[in-house]
Amino acid sequence: KAGVTQTPRYLIKTRGQQVTLSCSPISGHRSVSWYQQTPGQGLQFLFEYFSETQRNKGNFPGRFSGRQFSNSRSEMNVSTLELGDSALYLCASSQNSYEQYFGPGTRLTVT
Amino acid sequence: DQQVKQNSPSLSVQEGRISILNCDYTNSMFDYFLWYKKYPAEGPTFLISISSIKDKNEDGRFTVFLNKSAKHLSLHIVPSQPGDSAVYFCAASEGGNQFYFGTGTSLTVIP
Repeated sequence: KAGVTQTPRYLIKTRGQQVTLSCSPISGHRSVSWYQQTPGQGLQFLFEYFSETQRNKGNFPGRFSGRQFSNSRSEMNVSTLELGDSALYLCASSQNSYEQYFGPGTRLTVT
Repeated sequence: DQQVKQNSPSLSVQEGRISILNCDYTNSMFDYFLWYKKYPAEGPTFLISISSIKDKNEDGRFTVFLNKSAKHLSLHIVPSQPGDSAVYFCAASEGGNQFYFGTGTSLTVIP
């Protein structure tokens, strides 16, 4: 089975811009979760989607949003980028919610 | 508020010896715990898990111990190998919904 894929792998944006990241889960996995990883903060949960519905949401501002399509692929959008949004954004897919399989991440740099 | 804490940012161990990575949590409702390993430029890889009904789970060289009264879990790697050098994250969940991750411990196994 192909693993979780994320595109793009690297991205450089300017403050105030918006960005969309994409995640394709493992075939058959219906749950997709997004995390932000910054140095010293570990992985911070953003949100989880299951069957096109947001099932859980972390403590991030409304500038962070996501969606899931009928084929389970998911996108994450960040609007009005700030310097502090520079991070590694990880997507994880799951079949049973307990064991999550992570993609390689998208490294976002905001200048 | 960090609900899962890994207080040791780094650990160095000689090849062949035991590596012990520690993790503390604050939420007594957590009922499922996982350890992930992360290499640079890759997403975290699931390593081993334990549910709150157990106090020990083994998988080859990896053993996870859970002490619910102390809200503490640990990962033992025996014997440690150079390929084990990576960042290790512990994670906890209540009911398999949102996962809370620690900040990671960087393990270096010295040949």
